[in-house]
Amino acid sequence: SHELTQPPSVSVSPGQTASIACSGDKLGSTYASWYQQKPGQSPVLIIYRDGDRPSGIPARFSGSSSGNTATLTIAGTQAMDEADYYCQAWVGNTGVFGGGTKLTV
Amino acid sequence: EVQLVESGGGLVQPGGSLRLSCAVSGFTFGDYEMNWVRQAPGKGLEWVSCITSSNFIYYADSVEGRFAIFRDNAKSSLYLEMNSLRAEDTAVYYCVRGGRYYSLDYWGQGTLVTVSS
Repeated sequence: SHELTQPPSVSVSPGQTASIACSGDKLGSTYASWYQQKPGQSPVLIIYRDGDRPSGIPARFSGSSSGNTATLTIAGTQAMDEADYYCQAWVGNTGVFGGGTKLTV
Repeated sequence: EVQLVESGGGLVQPGGSLRLSCAVSGFTFGDYEMNWVRQAPGKGLEWVSCITSSNFIYYADSVEGRFAIFRDNAKSSLYLEMNSLRAEDTAVYYCVRGGRYYSLDYWGQGTLVTVSS
């Protein structure tokens, strides 16, 4: 069973801001990461340590965390951002993913 | 350039066994934690197992006792030995490097395992 909860779907108009929340009672004591997966492709890390971006990830992607909720925000959403997004964290020595959110632009 | 290339997937009968391999390049393999993550058809991501650079090993409850992860640093390769396979193990299996601050920073292209009679 998922210990990280995400909304199954989020819709946003092009150019607007999309936010995807990830909640879990362990998030307050561990870092969250976020991954983007487009159809037929492998996941890509887009946020780590709650809000850091790997090199090459556009600045429109940002992350934050407060209490037991981590949030991925995409500012000025583009059509190319349409994808599935997964949050992930470690609960003890076990990796846990959220159920995923399908972002429709 | 970091590369992870999985192999070994295929069709196997329930109760059967399979060994997955992941050949890596572009980084010092022995310095990193490595993971297997799977994705059932049309479903989300599921973490399967990890092995640290010091050979500490952890498994998801769903595979504990049936799967074994191991690594060969001399060959820059990661493996997943899968036994007593079930239909619910059907998935694309990804080899993934453990990155900074507990992230999963590089993913292979995946290899499909199908468990069916």
